[in-house]
Amino acid sequence: AQKITQTQPGMFVQEKEAVTLDCTYDTSDPSYGLFWYKQPSSGEMIFLIYQGSYDQQNATEGRYSLNFQKARKSANLVISASQLGDSAMYFCAMRALWGGTSGSRLTFGEGTQLTVNP
Amino acid sequence: EPEVTQTPSHQVTQMGQEVILRCVPISNHLYFYWYRQILGQKVEFLVSFYNNEISEKSEIFDDQFSVERPDGSNFTLKIRSTKLEDSAMYFCASSEKETQYFGPGTRLLVL
Repeated sequence: AQKITQTQPGMFVQEKEAVTLDCTYDTSDPSYGLFWYKQPSSGEMIFLIYQGSYDQQNATEGRYSLNFQKARKSANLVISASQLGDSAMYFCAMRALWGGTSGSRLTFGEGTQLTVNP
Repeated sequence: EPEVTQTPSHQVTQMGQEVILRCVPISNHLYFYWYRQILGQKVEFLVSFYNNEISEKSEIFDDQFSVERPDGSNFTLKIRSTKLEDSAMYFCASSEKETQYFGPGTRLLVL
């Protein structure tokens, strides 16, 4: 079974500042992928970044980076230089990769509502 | 950039009616999924589909739900007899490898 925990229901950040959104996970799968998705108020689900459990380096995609600490089972999202358009709900998710028993389904956390203030 | 599309964007239906939600996955993707998100709640997995058959389904995906790939491009979710608690946003997703790309969703309201 897989479990994703996002302990911050809401976060606030000043424009141009960096912000970290927390995510911890639990799984019995030997290899797994961790994802972050952004959901603006319009409702769509936008893929941001992916980290494989086997990756030695932390993933980065533009202003997004994933701070992966395997021993602590955490996969925090760091957004640098926040913009007003970053205001949205952010979901952490995970899925099993090869050798797992959880299939290919994504398991989501509860989400963190980020508000960027001007 | 290729994207997943879904129709309709909104659907209002009466309890007990059948609805069909449609999705066009990204063209070279082989794995397809349906998820739902009840208002204010987290996203829940419904079903995955590969090689023209269901590969996995959740406990939510009971006999009132079915999926089909009627042709080479469309992927549909049918709810046979809708209930009030089926009101939710329904997302289709597709993947080639690890990452699943989501469509914009269909907001279903059952009255």
